[in-house]
Formats: sequence, structure tokens, C-alpha cells
Amino acid sequence: SQQGEEDPQALSIQEGENATMNCSYKTSINNLQWYRQNSGRGLVHLILIRSNEREKHSGRLRVTLDTSKKSSSLLITASRAADTASYFCATDKGGSYIPTFGRGTSLIVHP
Amino acid sequence: NAGVMQNPRHLVRRRGQEARLRCSPMKGHSHVYWYRQLPEEGLKFMVYLQKENIIDESGMPKERFSAEFPKEGPSILRIQQVVRGDSAAYFCASSPTTGQGSDEQYFGPGTRLTVT
Repeated sequence: SQQGEEDPQALSIQEGENATMNCSYKTSINNLQWYRQNSGRGLVHLILIRSNEREKHSGRLRVTLDTSKKSSSLLITASRAADTASYFCATDKGGSYIPTFGRGTSLIVHP
Repeated sequence: NAGVMQNPRHLVRRRGQEARLRCSPMKGHSHVYWYRQLPEEGLKFMVYLQKENIIDESGMPKERFSAEFPKEGPSILRIQQVVRGDSAAYFCASSPTTGQGSDEQYFGPGTRLTVT
């Protein structure tokens, strides 16, 4: 099974609302990363959060990490139609240099 | 600074032909990763290379698939005798270093392979 699993699989919201996506993983990690993929395009790195960090911000993005629950969340505030994309979390496996991706959350923001 | 470049963007091959996918990492990056993505799926790791070395190919099918990253030139993912099941998007990513755990990766636009 995947090291990282995103939830929900799909999310549909109105512009201006907040979007929250979750990622759960199984084994210990050194860091967790969130990526965005627009349809038909490559992935774009959003945020990397290390295992000793609990929260990080980047513009309208807020990422939290709870290592005790082996979970992370990505919050997009004041969403825009341009935020429509698939969002993936990627985890290493306690020192592995190879990130393992989940299946992603498909976010649709309606204008 | 140009990003990761992949070519071709789209490739159509008949069953039994060979497919060659190219990836030029970002300037200054010496680590290259190849991934495969099926529709509605996440990325599946295939192989990790540094210049002239295959570091980890645990995600590569044992037969028909090979990868290289020569001292000069792009990284090549080669699929021999393609079958319909090879149809997918193939993404290349590069990173500058491998620090503690995985580093941020920069992805190319992908090559969409269609096997007819």
C-alpha cells in the first residue's frame, strides 16, 4: 500500500472558501512534501516540512504535521479557480532519498 | 535557469517498437529520478540515477526497461518492445543534493507515451 494516502480523493468548493486536504502515512519519516499537479502537467513543489516541525506557511498555504498521528494537512485559504489541480503528499521512509507519492486529492474550485 | 526538460512531450509507438524518453535536469542538478503515472494515479518511482551511476532501480520492471544518465547529455529512459500496458505519463525529476531524507524535486512536464 502507499506510504502516503491523501484524503479526500476529491474536493469541490466555491471560490473564496478554504480547502483542507489530509495525508496519512505508515512509517517514520524525515520529511513530508506537498506537490500540486495541474491537468496534463508535471508536479510543482509547494512545501517541505521536516519531522521536527509542526507547521509551515507559504502564502495562502498552511501545512501541519503531527508525527504522533502520522498525518499532515494542507490548508489553502481563500481559494481561487486557479487552485484547481491535484494535490499530492510525498513522504520518505525514515532516511530514504526516494519520496513516495500518494494517489492525490483532486481539488476543483468553482468561480 | 531553465527547468527540467523532457522530450518528446508525446510519443506514439506500435507494440513491439522501442521508446526513448529524454530528460535534461536543471542546471547544477546531478540527481535524476524517473516516475510513471497512470490516469487517476499517483506517481510510481522507477529509478534514481546520478551521473554515470544507477543508484536505485527498485521500481523498474526487470525486463525491457533500462535507464542511463551519461557524463554528458540527458538521462534516457528506454523501453524495448513496448506493450499497451506501457502507455502512461513518464515524469523526470531532478534534485541538487540528497540531504537528510528526500530533497525537493523539480519535475519536468512529462512524456505521454501511447502504445497502439
